[in-house]
Amino acid sequence: DVKVTQSSRYLVKRTGEKVFLECVQDMDHENMFWYRQDPGLGLRLIYFSYDVKMKEKGDIPEGYSVSREKKERFSLILESASTNQTSMYLCASMGSGTEAFFGQGTRLTVV
Amino acid sequence: LAKTTQPISMDSYEGQEVNITCSHNNIATNDYITWYQQFPSQGPRFIIQGYKTKVTNEVASLFIPADRKSSTLSLPRVSLSDTAVYYCLVGDMRNSGGYQKVTFGTGTKLQVIP
Repeated sequence: DVKVTQSSRYLVKRTGEKVFLECVQDMDHENMFWYRQDPGLGLRLIYFSYDVKMKEKGDIPEGYSVSREKKERFSLILESASTNQTSMYLCASMGSGTEAFFGQGTRLTVV
Repeated sequence: LAKTTQPISMDSYEGQEVNITCSHNNIATNDYITWYQQFPSQGPRFIIQGYKTKVTNEVASLFIPADRKSSTLSLPRVSLSDTAVYYCLVGDMRNSGGYQKVTFGTGTKLQVIP
């Protein structure tokens, strides 16, 4: 079974902190994605990557950056966390097939 | 990816068949239609995918008319455990040498009532 692992299930950070959310997949997938999910807004794509060191902006990239130094790992970085970045963050990976596999999510609270 | 439109929410009684329709008027020739299911506090999971006509698996059926401008996810005899949000995605998800921007909408919140 494909496994997508997010480093933390719950995270509390202070405003202005630099925050790293890590995601690791074990199926050698080319494509990886970061989403945030907020009530009433569904899943919104922040960034995605289709290869090592390659990244593309999604629909809401402002305030975020990403890093893909190794194929299996895709990191989401909040350079200076703000309260409006309190959300559920979901990582996904997808290979040459047609199915995206998701992690369990990280619920981030910025205080 | 083509824009999709789904009902925001639906209610159904246990044991009934539930049909959730998704509109995708701008679907492209190479686009597939994919449905995901999401339970609270979990990531979405793949349910079914199709290109045209009808696809059936152990979980659901997907009906796609000839013009492909809409699709209907059919859940037979729902139970309380089918209460979830269902997302319709349209796009060319195959790895054809390019990259795929996989975007979700707001989905349909299905509430199954005892």
